[in-house]
Amino acid sequence: SSELTQDPAVSVALGQTVRITCQGDSLRSYYASWYQQKPGQAPVLVIYGKNNRPSGIPDRFSGSSSGNTASLTITGAQAEDEADYYCNSRDTSSNHNYVFGTGTKVTVL
Amino acid sequence: QVQLVESGGGVVQPGRSLRLSCAASGFTFSSYAMHWVRQAPGKGLEWVAVISSDGSNKYYADSVKGRFTISRDNSQNTLYLQMNSLRAEDTAVYYCARIPGDWDAFDIWGRGTMVTVSS
Repeated sequence: SSELTQDPAVSVALGQTVRITCQGDSLRSYYASWYQQKPGQAPVLVIYGKNNRPSGIPDRFSGSSSGNTASLTITGAQAEDEADYYCNSRDTSSNHNYVFGTGTKVTVL
Repeated sequence: QVQLVESGGGVVQPGRSLRLSCAASGFTFSSYAMHWVRQAPGKGLEWVAVISSDGSNKYYADSVKGRFTISRDNSQNTLYLQMNSLRAEDTAVYYCARIPGDWDAFDIWGRGTMVTVSS
């Protein structure tokens, strides 16, 4: 099955910009989606498709992709953005299956 | 209000079985493929299984293939996960989630139900 690799942790100063990356072969064929998960809570979808935000997600969240790498950017990070973030895509070995990234812990300083 | 509510988790001995349920409300359940995703304590998310909207197609992660069975009852708006031959490594929070056909992303998640496999 495919694998999606993320940096384990990143930090960002309050109000600054942070980029989280996700690498994997499946991203050459499929868009990544991105999820925010706070402790003890279910994941929440923040970005899907080329660069789409579900209703209610602030516009400081944006997505991009190039080759085998997808990125989630938080522009003007807020304290409430501190969370774990996971990328996700279909699995190229079986396009009915899905794979999640290893996750990135974002700390807002 | 669109909602998914899981139930059926608990503590079970290795080798035993457990069935999870996911009750859907606030949307046309029979129009959506449904998934199970799990998360071991302190670990990342792992996709487990998917079932098509009419229940005719089912796919599984290699880690559960042959042991877990996903099913649904569209008349009851309920998704199921039958878990057999449970192992310690199946210990996790199990979430049900849906993917709108044209999004290819999990837009609605339940709160999860905890399964602990331990002797």
